[in-house]
Amino acid sequence: NAGVMQNPRHLVRRRGQEARLRCSPMKGHSHVYWYRQLPEEGLKFMVYLQKENIIDESGMPKERFSAEFPKEGPSILRIQQVVRGDSAAYFCASSPPSAYYGYTFGSGTRLTVV
Amino acid sequence: SQQGEEDPQALSIQEGENATMNCSYKTSINNLQWYRQNSGRGLVHLILIRSNEREKHSGRLRVTLDTSKKSSSLLITASRAADTASYFCATDGTGANNLFFGTGTRLTVIP
Repeated sequence: NAGVMQNPRHLVRRRGQEARLRCSPMKGHSHVYWYRQLPEEGLKFMVYLQKENIIDESGMPKERFSAEFPKEGPSILRIQQVVRGDSAAYFCASSPPSAYYGYTFGSGTRLTVV
Repeated sequence: SQQGEEDPQALSIQEGENATMNCSYKTSINNLQWYRQNSGRGLVHLILIRSNEREKHSGRLRVTLDTSKKSSSLLITASRAADTASYFCATDGTGANNLFFGTGTRLTVIP
């Protein structure tokens, strides 16, 4: 599958637990972007990464959230000590160095905090 | 915030009719893109229009851009039930790769 792969598709966590969301970009894409979508709302930008580098994290909450895109392996969005308000769909997208031709999105991870 | 806004929030039309969605944004851009999202799925890139372009076509899609008004429109002609989805505009900051999405228009095409 040459597309953007996100896993898991659905994730249920109890309040206070950690959530790890994974994203493997499309083959040949070196740029990864994470977005959060609440029900019936648009996508909110969270973070933009290249391999081993965070380019823009202006949309990330200051606490509990972190993201990485290591030299090897998928990009990881990590949410520590989850709260009910973290329940949302988290989408990853990737692009080549120029995003001129648009992003390729994954199918998302739906996080539910109970 | 660089986030755009689509108008209307929701639109319901009969199959065969045309659908027009509008997007307004706040900052200067290099380009503006339109995406489609089926319920519960990721977004799919539809079309990109550069800041120096005024109109672009792709199949049944027609996009216009007015940089003086910081607005764009997406027209879907001869709509089909399969066009039912949410449509989002996305803008980049000049010199940046990251995109900022609008709030979306939810289109329903009634067979």
